[in-house]
Amino acid sequence: EAGVAQSPRYKIIEKRQSVAFWCNPISGHATLYWYQQILGQGPKLLIQFQNNGVVDDSQLPKDRFSAERLKGVDSTLKIQPAKLEDSAVYLCASSPRGPRWGEQFFGPGTRLTVL
Amino acid sequence: GQQLNQSPQSMFIQEGEDVSMNCTSSSIFNTWLWYKQEPGEGPVLLIALYKAGELTSNGRLTAQFGITRKDSFLNISASIPSDVGIYFCAGQLRQAGTALIFGKGTTLSVSS
Repeated sequence: EAGVAQSPRYKIIEKRQSVAFWCNPISGHATLYWYQQILGQGPKLLIQFQNNGVVDDSQLPKDRFSAERLKGVDSTLKIQPAKLEDSAVYLCASSPRGPRWGEQFFGPGTRLTVL
Repeated sequence: GQQLNQSPQSMFIQEGEDVSMNCTSSSIFNTWLWYKQEPGEGPVLLIALYKAGELTSNGRLTAQFGITRKDSFLNISASIPSDVGIYFCAGQLRQAGTALIFGKGTTLSVSS
């Protein structure tokens, strides 16, 4: 089966600009996650969707970050305006229903550099 | 926020050696997962553990879910150069749904 797709793979912007990332999860996976991975650290959850509803966005900086999953399939994450500290890899993951519910499968990530 | 203490931070070993790394927490976890990440790629799932005491293997990799539900270890036997990468433990807290909490990673270097 095809894995989690993300685009773009790399993005360089200047601070105060806006940027958007796209994710298409594994087919049939109802749960979708966005994580932020800062260099040298493990990924940190930003937001979790179950179908097209938000389950957990407690760690999403809502003054500048937004995310949507309108039809319960693909998702976009937006940053507006970007700050220097937003430089990181943004990872999308999805997980299946059923007995393997806990397993999350990650895409290749989008590396964002804010100058 | 919740933290996972992963150790060691880095390891430098010779090809053929066995490797062991572990994660501990002060909180109880429902699941433990181990991932490997290579440069420029997303984490790849190696092993998932769902039950306290569970011991699971995937080729040369073996992982265990601690009896107390607060720790896990990963062993790699007979390491090879392609084992190089960053290994992350991750878990799902019992009281917090399915979002993963990650350790800081163990960087493995293998010399041939």
